[in-house]
Amino acid sequence: EGQLVESGGGLVRPGESLRLSCAASGFTFSNAWMNWVRQAPGKGLEWVARIISKSAGGAIHYAAPVKGRFTVSRDDSKNMLYLQMNSLQTEDTAVYYCATSMEAPGAFDYWGQGSLVTVSS
Amino acid sequence: DIVMTQTPLSSPVTLGQPASISCRSSQSLALSNGNTFLSWLQQRPGQPPRLLIYKISNRFSGVPDRFSGSGAGTDFTLKISRVEAEDVGIYYCMQATQIPYTFGQGTKLEIE
Repeated sequence: EGQLVESGGGLVRPGESLRLSCAASGFTFSNAWMNWVRQAPGKGLEWVARIISKSAGGAIHYAAPVKGRFTVSRDDSKNMLYLQMNSLQTEDTAVYYCATSMEAPGAFDYWGQGSLVTVSS
Repeated sequence: DIVMTQTPLSSPVTLGQPASISCRSSQSLALSNGNTFLSWLQQRPGQPPRLLIYKISNRFSGVPDRFSGSGAGTDFTLKISRVEAEDVGIYYCMQATQIPYTFGQGTKLEIE
């Protein structure tokens, strides 16, 4: 069964950078279209970014609030997904989940446990 | 962006009774190939979201058959035939028809 495990969260000051990682196992990562979704404390879910498989072209898309500041990448040789977050703002404070669709088309059926990012002075 | 609007935002229900959550999208989620990427997720306190329903009405593996989804175009419904204590949590609809993917605000299901 597939598993996703995020790491790299922590407390940073506004304007600083942080890189999140997501380790995948139990499925063919190279074929997976991977996403980052975040959830601010006490709030709902917000899609952040998607990177599709290299075999499908490798296109990347971002949500408007993070475009130009966040960069998603993948290392298929290591089954790893990354989210480089620059110029962090207080409103970026959230639990960040990696998620993918493996068995359910057009839906996120695999989720990690999440990694908390806190941006505060 | 497609806006997803859920009603109600809070739903107190009695154990054993049915519950229903509506989700409306600001534009049709139907693709020309016949697919409609509307899904429902459950989030229990302190847990990541869990997929319940995908493509409007397909129950994901391991999801009890008391959960069902229906709808088309812009109007969708999640129904729980008989609410159990473990169903407490927040329910989200999500569209993956168009980037950016968007979620409803969430509906909090509570036991009366």
